[in-house]
This record gives sequence, structure tokens and C-alpha cells, in this order.
Amino acid sequence: EVHLVESGGGLVQPGGSLRLCCAASGFTFSNHWMMWVRQAPGKGLEWVANIDGDGSEKNYVDSVKGRFTISRDNAKNSLCLQLNGLRAEDSAVYYCARDGLPGARDYWGQGTLVTVSS
Amino acid sequence: QSALTQPRSVSGSPGQSVTISCTGTSSDVGGYNYVSWYQQHPGKAPKLVIYEVNKRPSGVPDRFSGSKSGNTASLTVSGLQAEDEADYYCSSYGGNKNWIFGGGTKVTVL
Repeated sequence: EVHLVESGGGLVQPGGSLRLCCAASGFTFSNHWMMWVRQAPGKGLEWVANIDGDGSEKNYVDSVKGRFTISRDNAKNSLCLQLNGLRAEDSAVYYCARDGLPGARDYWGQGTLVTVSS
Repeated sequence: QSALTQPRSVSGSPGQSVTISCTGTSSDVGGYNYVSWYQQHPGKAPKLVIYEVNKRPSGVPDRFSGSKSGNTASLTVSGLQAEDEADYYCSSYGGNKNWIFGGGTKVTVL
């Protein structure tokens, strides 16, 4: 059974950093693109970043380019997102998701909450 | 890139059908068949219900169906049930390696 479990969220001051990670199990991790999606409190979903199976291709939404870095460790079945230069508008629940069907995320983690506030 | 446009809310009685629209542009919804739909109950993670415009993942009831015409995609939930009350989000490939979501639609079962 596929499982995705995020960790690393918390309260951080503006300008600070956090590292989110997602532990994957139940499938061949290296065969799949993976994605981070966030959801601000009471708001909709927003694509943040994605990465291909071997980590060679990475894409970001414009609002996080230069501040966030997506990475993966296929030996450890782990996906991470380094968040630097955090702003209040980055406050959200961050979900990791698997690209398991064409153009779609078929499995999602439970999310980890990031709150940026002084 | 702007979010896809969805109605804020739709409602229907048990057994009825509701349809949610998702309007984009020729650069996203109209240009690719990578339109997907997600159901999200309060406090829960999203769940995929439709992919590639009109395909249902294993385990999703056939009461859920999708379609697309031009720059607008649609999700129809037929035979509405109490457990269908949730937020629904569309998503599309936006070109240039970008993915976009709609603003979400709250479905209320009266």
C-alpha cells in the first residue's frame, strides 16, 4: 500500500528557513515524478514544485523560485523541500503527492503545517 | 499563471446531479488533456477522482464523470450522496512545466 508521510513543519519567523520531507513507501519511488502542493488556511490548492524520478529535472511556481529547493533521495525513498526566505504568504499546509497517473497526483500525504509569523 | 475559474459553490439534493465547471485558457485546459479533479473533505488530503479529463482511477464510483469543451472542463456527480459533500478542485497542465489548480468549489448536499 502506498504511503506518503510529511514532516518538518512548524512555526518560523519571516526570513527564516525550514526543511520539509516526505517519506514514501509501498511503491518504487524512483519510477515516479513527485510534487509539493500547498494550501493556505481556508484557501485553495497551489502547485509549488515537482521533480522527476532521478532528480535531474525540477520545476517551481514563480513565487518560490530562488527561495525553495526540491530534492529527493531515492536510496532513502525520501522527498524534501528546503524553504528559505520564508514570507507570511508561504504559510500553508504542504502536501507531497505522487504522479502515478498521466497528469495527475494519485496519492497524497496528510500534509504538514508551516506557519510564518513573528 | 492565473488559477482556473470554478464556481464558489453548488448544491443538490440526494439522488440529483451537480456539475462543476473549470474554465481556463487555450494555454492550459484547452491545450492539453491533462485535466484532473480532486475531492477534499474538511481537514483531509485531496483525493483524485478524475484524470485525463474523463478517466476514473480504480475505486472511484462511476457516479463521477468528467468532460471538456474548449477551454472549460466539467465534473459531474450523479446520484448525489451525503458523502459527496466536499470541496472539489480541478487541475490542468499549464504549459512551460507549470501546473495550475482551480479555486475550488464547495458541493453541498441539501
